[in-house]
Amino acid sequence: GQNIDQPTEMTATEGAIVQINCTYQTSGFNGLFWYQQHAGEAPTFLSYNVLDGLEEKGRFSSFLSRSKGYSYLLLKELQMKDSASYLCAVRDRAGGYNKLIFGAGTRLAVHP
Amino acid sequence: DAGVIQSPRHEVTEMGQEVTLRCKPISGHDYLFWYRQTMMRGLELLIYFNNNVPIDDSGMPEDRFSAKMPNASFSTLKIQPSEPRDSAVYFCASSRSSGGAVGELFFGEGSRLTVL
Repeated sequence: GQNIDQPTEMTATEGAIVQINCTYQTSGFNGLFWYQQHAGEAPTFLSYNVLDGLEEKGRFSSFLSRSKGYSYLLLKELQMKDSASYLCAVRDRAGGYNKLIFGAGTRLAVHP
Repeated sequence: DAGVIQSPRHEVTEMGQEVTLRCKPISGHDYLFWYRQTMMRGLELLIYFNNNVPIDDSGMPEDRFSAKMPNASFSTLKIQPSEPRDSAVYFCASSRSSGGAVGELFFGEGSRLTVL
């Protein structure tokens, strides 16, 4: 089966940097995704890692260590609009088909 | 290019009634997923299809839930009979099986179901 853990809530200050961690256990790991979800809206894609290392995309970066079953999402120069839930999702390829399993999400509140 | 289209956006029904949720995936996508989201359980995968064929329905809660995909551009999720604990937001998502961020899901706006 799959198990994905991430903190439930985090708070941070506008302009600061925040790191959201995610640990996972899965039998057929085939990539890790981060999604952002604003309240009342659908999740939207932020980043994708399949190899170890850091992927940078503007103010957002995502890191993956496959041997440790660990990823983090780094948000720099926080803005009020970054207040949202951040979902870690693991793609599992058990049985030859891709499916995406989501963690419970981390609710980030950015304060002035 | 149109995104994933779901209907209805909101549905309020009474316990025991049949509920049908509809989804049109993005053209050219060969995977379609149905998820359910609640505060308590987060985003749960219910069932997914590849090329219109159901691959894994192990997340479907019970026999009251069924899903079909009669063609590449349409899928339904049906709940019969509905119960108050089925109240949730139901998301449909689609993806393609080739390319860079393979498996990146594109979500519809969701169908918010309330069962009284």
